[in-house]
Amino acid sequence: EVQLLESGGGLVQPGGSLRLSCAASGLTFSSYAMSWVRQAPGKGLEWVSSISRGGGGTYYADSVKGRFTISRDNSKNTLYLQMNSLRAEDTALYYCAKGYSSSWLYWGQGTLVTVSS
Amino acid sequence: SYVLTQPPSVSVAPGQTARITCGGTNIGSKSVHWYQQKPGQAPVLVVYDDSDRPSGIPERFSGSNSGNTATLTISRVEAGDEADYYCQVWDSTSDVVFGGGTKLTVL
Repeated sequence: EVQLLESGGGLVQPGGSLRLSCAASGLTFSSYAMSWVRQAPGKGLEWVSSISRGGGGTYYADSVKGRFTISRDNSKNTLYLQMNSLRAEDTALYYCAKGYSSSWLYWGQGTLVTVSS
Repeated sequence: SYVLTQPPSVSVAPGQTARITCGGTNIGSKSVHWYQQKPGQAPVLVVYDDSDRPSGIPERFSGSNSGNTATLTISRVEAGDEADYYCQVWDSTSDVVFGGGTKLTVL
């Protein structure tokens, strides 16, 4: 059974940093591109970032480009999202999902990031 | 940037057919995926590559895509189908794009 488990969310002040993790199990992690998607309270889904299987290709939404960095450790079956210079509008539930340019069958349950003073 | 437009809401009586549209320029040339999201839950893939269903998704869920509109059709709607539905595509210039979502209400 494929499982994706996000962690690392929490309350952070504007301008602060946070690193999210997504631990994967039940799949050959290194064989798949992975993505982060967020959902602000009461709002729709917003793509944040994706990374290729080997990590050599990274892709970002304009809203986070230059502030967020996606990475992965295939030896640990873990996906990361380093978030710097956080803003109030980054407040959301952050999901990791398996896939990038194709459909996303597997999603985690999300980790909540709240940016507030 | 590529934009996907969905109606904010669709209402349908139980047993009837719900159609949720997703509009985008020449969307017929792209692969469209649909997700169902119930309150407090992660999205669930219900249709991929325009019209295919993942294992475990009822045949009542179907999709089509042509021209500037993709459509998710839910036949014989049940109370349990009440949820938000999102379309998604990958675009070479905009990367991953989600529609704004449609709230399906079962009357």
